[in-house]
Parts: sequence; C-alpha cells; structure tokens
Amino acid sequence: DVKVTRSSRYLVKRTGEKVFLECVQDMDHENMFWYRQDPGLGLRLIYFSYDVKMKEKGDIPEGYSVSREKKERFSLILESASTNQTSMYLCASSPWGNNEQFFGPGTRLTVL
Amino acid sequence: SQQGEEDPQALSIQEGENATMNCSYKTSINNLQWYRQNSGRGLVHLILIRSNEREKHSGRLRVTLDTSKKSSSLLITASRAADTASYFCATEGTGANNLFFGTGTRLTVIP
Repeated sequence: DVKVTRSSRYLVKRTGEKVFLECVQDMDHENMFWYRQDPGLGLRLIYFSYDVKMKEKGDIPEGYSVSREKKERFSLILESASTNQTSMYLCASSPWGNNEQFFGPGTRLTVL
Repeated sequence: SQQGEEDPQALSIQEGENATMNCSYKTSINNLQWYRQNSGRGLVHLILIRSNEREKHSGRLRVTLDTSKKSSSLLITASRAADTASYFCATEGTGANNLFFGTGTRLTVIP
C-alpha cells in the first residue's frame, strides 16, 4: 500500500514561528503538490514540483517556500507564520505524464 | 481563474436515490477529474474524463462532459450512507501541468 503522508494531523503554532510541513510519498512519483483548503474557497495550489530541486509557484505562493531535496519528499515552509495562514494543508503527488493526483490526509494548521 | 464551480453547494438525499452534481469551468481543458473528500481527510480520485470523451462510467459513477458548454456532471446511482462526502471537480487546462479544483459539493445521504 502506498500513501502520501504528512508530518502531523493537527498543528498549532504562534504568529511569527517558523513552520515546516513535510510530505513523503513512496509511490516513486515525479510530481508533488502543496495545496491549502479553506471553506468556500476550495483547494488552492501553493507550490508544485516536477523533479528534485525543482519548484514552481502555484496560485498563492506568497508567504510560503518549498524544498525538494529528494524525490520522495516535498516540504512546505512558512518562514514566519501569520494568522491568515490558518488552514488545512494538503499534499499530493502524481506520476510523470499523468495528472491523477494522490492525496495525503492533510494537516490542519492553526496559527494563534 | 480556471477554477471550476460545483453546483449545488450542498445536496441532501435519501439512501437509494441518485445524486447529481454539476461542474462548470471557464477555459479549454485536457481532462476533467472528480475527487471525493471525507470530512477532514485528503481527497481521493474517482474518475477522469478526457476532453474528447462525452461519458464515462465507473461502478455506480457516471460522468458526462460537454466541452461546448464547459460543464460536467457526476451522477452517483443508488446512493449509500457511505457516499456522504464532499465532491470536487478538477480541470487540467491545455498547456498546464497542474489541476484547478472547484469549491465542492457537500453530499449527505440519509440512511
């Protein structure tokens, strides 16, 4: 059984803290994605990556950075968390040439 | 924005009834996908329909695509309480390698 996993299901941080969310997949997928999901807004793409050390901005990259040092890991970093970054964060992966995405269970981040 | 829009936002039906959800989008697409999300969980891929296809079936799911109207529908037949979830459409635009998700339809199936 292969899954996209995340660091932890629920996370509470304070304004200004650095937040590190890690996505790990064991499906040997080339493509990895980070989304945030907010009520009434659906899923919005933050960053994605098609290869190791490669990254592309999505629709809402401001306030976020990413790192992909290994094929199986795609990390989302909030350098200085703010309350408007309180959200559900979802990671997904897909194989090269196929955009059917496999999602992890998500991390609900609360920034106080 | 290429984001799709689902209609209705919420749907409540009795077990055994059929559920129909609609998705509209704005730009040309390579394919359209439907995903399901149980409360507080990640999304699960249900079905993909390509732009040159008009209808596709998978078990109790039937998806249609009308590219002239830029719309798609997802039909779940003989619904079960376990079908209770949110359903999202996602479009892959031409020249794009990522998906654009709609805001979802919340389906409740009453036992």
